[in-house]
Amino acid sequence: DAGVIQSPRHEVTEMGQEVTLRCKPISGHNSLFWYRQTMMRGLELLIYFNNNVPIDDSGMPEDRFSAKMPNASFSTLKIQPSEPRDSAVYFCASRPGTQNTEAFFGQGTRLTVV
Amino acid sequence: AQSVTQLGSHVSVSEGALVLLRCNYSSSVPPYLFWYVQYPNQGLQLLLKYTSAATLVKGINGFEAEFKKSETSFHLTKPSAHMSDAAEYFCAVSDLGGGGNKLTFGTGTQLKVEL
Repeated sequence: DAGVIQSPRHEVTEMGQEVTLRCKPISGHNSLFWYRQTMMRGLELLIYFNNNVPIDDSGMPEDRFSAKMPNASFSTLKIQPSEPRDSAVYFCASRPGTQNTEAFFGQGTRLTVV
Repeated sequence: AQSVTQLGSHVSVSEGALVLLRCNYSSSVPPYLFWYVQYPNQGLQLLLKYTSAATLVKGINGFEAEFKKSETSFHLTKPSAHMSDAAEYFCAVSDLGGGGNKLTFGTGTQLKVEL
């Protein structure tokens, strides 16, 4: 398996533009997570899905952020409109549906909003 | 809900010295615990995990961790640090709250290895 695949790896956009980050989880994994990592706030869980259903989105910073998982093999995280403070590395991770298994992380998308 | 606390956001050791990174957990049930490593500009990768089998868990790159229920700890150790160990390390616990399946991470410890 190729692991968790995220695209793009790098994104530079202007303030006010819409940004869409994409994630393909490992086949057969039931859970998918979106994290944001910054120097100031560390690693934050934004939202996670079980079996394509959003379970906990309490970490989504504000209404400008939205996430979808239309099927078991694809998820998006959208920011509209983007702001400079959204600049961060965004990670997607997936996990099988059992508590004793680890989560597998993608390589991340480095977002810069100018 | 389960949680983990990592003491020391930055740890510095000399090459060849013992590495000790601290993690304490809070859980009302037997926890599943994990250590991850993040190298610069990369994602997190699993070092080792505790799943209620042996209390001493061995991982990759010579790291190991011991689960101590009496101390609610799961500290990460390596007998002899190498320059390539410089990275950020995260402790995590499987969070059973709300019927979910998430991992709750600590705030991370940046390990610096000096000559």
